[in-house]
Amino acid sequence: NAGVTQTPKFQVLKTGQSMTLQCAQDMNHNSMYWYRQDPGMGLRLIYYSASEGTTDKGEVPNGYNVSRLNKREFSLRLESAAPSQTSVYFCASRKTGTYNEQFFGPGTRLTVL
Amino acid sequence: AQSVTQLDSQVPVFEEAPVELRCNYSSSVSVYLFWYVQYPNQGLQLLLKYLSGSTLVKGINGFEAEFNKSQTSFHLRKPSVHISDTAEYFCAVSRLGAQKLVFGQGTRLTINP
Repeated sequence: NAGVTQTPKFQVLKTGQSMTLQCAQDMNHNSMYWYRQDPGMGLRLIYYSASEGTTDKGEVPNGYNVSRLNKREFSLRLESAAPSQTSVYFCASRKTGTYNEQFFGPGTRLTVL
Repeated sequence: AQSVTQLDSQVPVFEEAPVELRCNYSSSVSVYLFWYVQYPNQGLQLLLKYLSGSTLVKGINGFEAEFNKSQTSFHLRKPSVHISDTAEYFCAVSRLGAQKLVFGQGTRLTINP
């Protein structure tokens, strides 16, 4: 089992460019999440998907869109990147019906110039 | 709504010394509590969790935490730290049955030889 995988690991964008961060899990989990991590701010939830076909906004959704492509995959899109979106992005998943233990991917480090 | 406060942003200790990382939470309902660890340039992994029952919870790598309902605290402890414990530690809370985890700001633990 690979667990939660994310691509790419690193990315540099110019302001205004777009990109999609990919996430996949092989644990048959129903729920998936996107977080961003910034120094001194912990992890903040961007969007989540409780099950295939549903998505909901988290704490900091502005400037992002998501797609739950199927049960395994949950992508995060930046349509027009801004320097404020420079961050480390983590994807996570969890199994429905259990306490809320989430399993995290290795992260994508994004820099927007 | 739930919230989490980690009282120290950085904790330096000497190798083989004991350590306590402090976490307080705020919630009007029953919660699950978690500690996650993030080693340099990696994703988060679960250290331990409190769901119910015994207030002293043991986790991996010799860590333990004590749930104190009256003080709304969930402090993490280790009696003797090792260089390999150098990492950032996150406390998180979840309302029972909720989809989302709420994270604290993180505590960076630095072990000096």
